Amino acid sequence: KAGVTQTPRYLIKTRGQQVTLSCSPISGHRSVSWYQQTPGQGLQFLFEYFSETQRNKGNFPGRFSGRQFSNSRSEMNVSTLELGDSALYLCASSLGVRGTYEQYFGPGTRLTVT
Amino acid sequence: GQQVMQIPQYQHVQEGEDFTTYCNSSTTLSNIQWYKQRPGGHPVFLIQLVKSGEVKKQKRLTFQFGEAKKNSSLHITATQTTDVGTYFCAGTPQGGSEKLVFGKGMKLTVNP
Repeated sequence: KAGVTQTPRYLIKTRGQQVTLSCSPISGHRSVSWYQQTPGQGLQFLFEYFSETQRNKGNFPGRFSGRQFSNSRSEMNVSTLELGDSALYLCASSLGVRGTYEQYFGPGTRLTVT
Repeated sequence: GQQVMQIPQYQHVQEGEDFTTYCNSSTTLSNIQWYKQRPGGHPVFLIQLVKSGEVKKQKRLTFQFGEAKKNSSLHITATQTTDVGTYFCAGTPQGGSEKLVFGKGMKLTVNP
């Protein structure tokens, strides 16, 4: 089975721009979660989508949004980028809702905001 | 919000040594998961513990869930350089709306 894929793998943007990241889960997985990882803060939960519905949301500003399509693929959007948004963005898929099933992480998208 | 604390945050050991790292929650957990992230890689699922007092072993790694389901430990025997990485625990608070709260991780380095 193919693993979780994320595109692009690396991205450089300037402040004020917006960015869209994509995640394709493992076939058959209906839950996709997004995390922001920075050296000082560890893994910060952004949101989880299950069957195209947002189930949970972390403590991030409204500039961070996401969606899930009928094929379970998910996108994450960050508008009006700030320098502090520079991070590794990880998506993870699981068979069921987060917390009950193991999560399979993708390789991440490294976002640099200049 | 709910918190999961990992102790210590950094661990440096000599190859061949044993050590234990801990994960503590402020509330009772339904389950706990452990993940390992190698340098430059992404987190990889290691194990899930569900029952009070549960102990699971994976080769040289022993995972335990506390009797009160508020803490967990990971014990590594005869540490090898391949054990290097950051270990995360993640727990789901019982009865709450939050799911899978991650600790900040324990970074392990090994001196060969």
